[in-house]
Amino acid sequence: EAGVVQSPRYKIIEKKQPVAFWCNPISGHNTLYWYLQNLGQGPELLIRYENEEAVDDSQLPKDRFSAERLKGVDSTLKIQPAELGDSAVYLCASSPPVVGTGGFGELFFGEGSRLTVL
Amino acid sequence: SQQGEEDPQALSIQEGENATMNCSYKTSINNLQWYRQNSGRGLVHLILIRSNEREKHSGRLRVTLDTSKKSSSLLITASRAADTASYFCATERDSSYKLIFGSGTRLLVRP
Repeated sequence: EAGVVQSPRYKIIEKKQPVAFWCNPISGHNTLYWYLQNLGQGPELLIRYENEEAVDDSQLPKDRFSAERLKGVDSTLKIQPAELGDSAVYLCASSPPVVGTGGFGELFFGEGSRLTVL
Repeated sequence: SQQGEEDPQALSIQEGENATMNCSYKTSINNLQWYRQNSGRGLVHLILIRSNEREKHSGRLRVTLDTSKKSSSLLITASRAADTASYFCATERDSSYKLIFGSGTRLLVRP
């Protein structure tokens, strides 16, 4: 079974340029997450989708970041324009539907997209 | 904001020794998870322990949870060089459906 696929793995851009990251989650996983990971830190949630709906985007800087999940499968995260401080790893994760009331289970992460803004 | 904080931030041990990492959190939780991240890679789930559980094992891993102290520990027994990685705890606050990661412990296992 294929895991979570992200592209590109690496991206180097000049500041003020736009950039987009793509994620294909594991088949059947209705929940998709975008996380930001700065060097030496743990991942921080940017946005969570349940199917096509963004149910938690409170941490997404909406002035320059946007995300979409068309048809409830693949997702794209866009930054426009990029700033120096956006240099980080952008991780996509997915999880299957929640069963029972014990909270949600494990997240399956992609390899990440490392962004360098010059 | 990061809910969990791991301790120590970095740990260096000899192959064959045990490695213990601790995680403390601030609010009540549904469950606590541990993840591993090799350099330049994504995170891989190791183990999940629910708030009503006190201990869980998976191979060479042993996780404990003390909800009264709001803390958890991850023990890796008989460590191997391949265990070198960063280890993160992640907590889901009650009914929040938000998994919040700590800042991680960087483990180096020397051959």
